[in-house]
Amino acid sequence: SQQGEEDPQALSIQEGENATMNCSYKTSINNLQWYRQNSGRGLVHLILIRSNEREKHSGRLRVTLDTSKKSSSLLITASRAADTASYFCAGYMEYGNKLVFGAGTILRVKS
Amino acid sequence: DGGITQSPKYLFRKEGQNVTLSCEQNLNHDAMYWYRQDPGQGLRLIYYSQIVNDFQKGDIAEGYSVSREKKESFPLTVTSAQKNPTAFYLCASSMGRQVDEQFFGPGTRLTVL
Repeated sequence: SQQGEEDPQALSIQEGENATMNCSYKTSINNLQWYRQNSGRGLVHLILIRSNEREKHSGRLRVTLDTSKKSSSLLITASRAADTASYFCAGYMEYGNKLVFGAGTILRVKS
Repeated sequence: DGGITQSPKYLFRKEGQNVTLSCEQNLNHDAMYWYRQDPGQGLRLIYYSQIVNDFQKGDIAEGYSVSREKKESFPLTVTSAQKNPTAFYLCASSMGRQVDEQFFGPGTRLTVL
């Protein structure tokens, strides 16, 4: 399967703590994106990190990309109960025109 | 108020019936996509269209069909040939480049009785 692997599958933390999610692929991935999905809803785009970038910030989000390891991580700082959701990474295979999604990390933030 | 809509939200089908899921966008996007999501899993691409009157199979196209007669609309038909159609179906659209985000509809939950 070309699907990306995400780690951990589920994460439960207290409000105010940081949450880190990791994503890896078996092949090179371009223009990696992170999405969020609330239960039973559509996905919402969070952030894009281009293949020539190593780190990117957006508000409480920090994304890193390691092309040599074919992996990315998403850090949510100072988490809130409203951050409770599933988080997915998605990237394009080299020369591809289809987004390939990871299996997702379920994040639960307890208040 | 721009966005992407899907209907119906819930759909029940008897075995052997074809059903059509609606997807409409008013974002003026060239590209549209259909994904299937099973419990606890990521999204798998069924079909995608990068321009009107053209579409390509994704990773799991068997048992599904689509049309793209208008830029705004990309309906998905789940045929009786799809052996396990119960799932959550998501439609998305984008400008079509790799760096463009995809905008998702709210989804249709299909249950086969």
